[in-house]
Amino acid sequence: GENVEQHPSTLSVQEGDSAVIKCTYSDSASNYFPWYKQELGKRPQLIIDIRSNVGEKKDQRIAVTLNKTAKHFSLHITETQPEDSAVYFCAAASYAGKSTFGDGTTLTVKP
Amino acid sequence: GAVVSQHPSRVICKSGTSVKIECRSLDFQATTMFWYRQFPKQSLMLMATSNEGSKATYEQGVEKDKFLINHASLTLSTLTVTSAHPEDSSFYICSARDSGTTHGEQYFGPGTRLTVT
Repeated sequence: GENVEQHPSTLSVQEGDSAVIKCTYSDSASNYFPWYKQELGKRPQLIIDIRSNVGEKKDQRIAVTLNKTAKHFSLHITETQPEDSAVYFCAAASYAGKSTFGDGTTLTVKP
Repeated sequence: GAVVSQHPSRVICKSGTSVKIECRSLDFQATTMFWYRQFPKQSLMLMATSNEGSKATYEQGVEKDKFLINHASLTLSTLTVTSAHPEDSSFYICSARDSGTTHGEQYFGPGTRLTVT
């Protein structure tokens, strides 16, 4: 089955700096890669996703890149703000299949 | 946007009793729903995939007779934890996939905090 590895497990940055979280996956059949943000005690919220026919996608301060050859994808957050502090999960899935999640990255943005 | 509700949000039950958790897609139809379990500071562990009108598909190591899943309609899936024990205490989250798209997005419910005493 699919295996997703996520790094780092914790990340602390100063407000205004950039944050990068990286994930690798094992199943070449995976073609959908969402990123979720989860605040303490709340549900995961989809923040951005990318499909295998695209190499990069950007939405305001958030961007995701995908390297299918190397089987890795990354989340980039620029101009970080304290409200960006949360746990971020990457996932890999096929369109009709289940998602496999990474172990999560706890991001702390210091004011 | 797509909304998924989950009920109850929090439940405390005694060891040996059963607890039913409901997951509803409020503004879309979902032929597929997923049930996850999440321990503190850990990732989401998929327990089973719930398919409308058919039997659920359980992940390896998940006891299907203990975690009963029913997906009787396109907007409702239920998870029943039977004969609950303290080790079943956890945060249970469902998600639903919009049948009207092929994009694969999942929308999560708010979760249910189960405490077995």
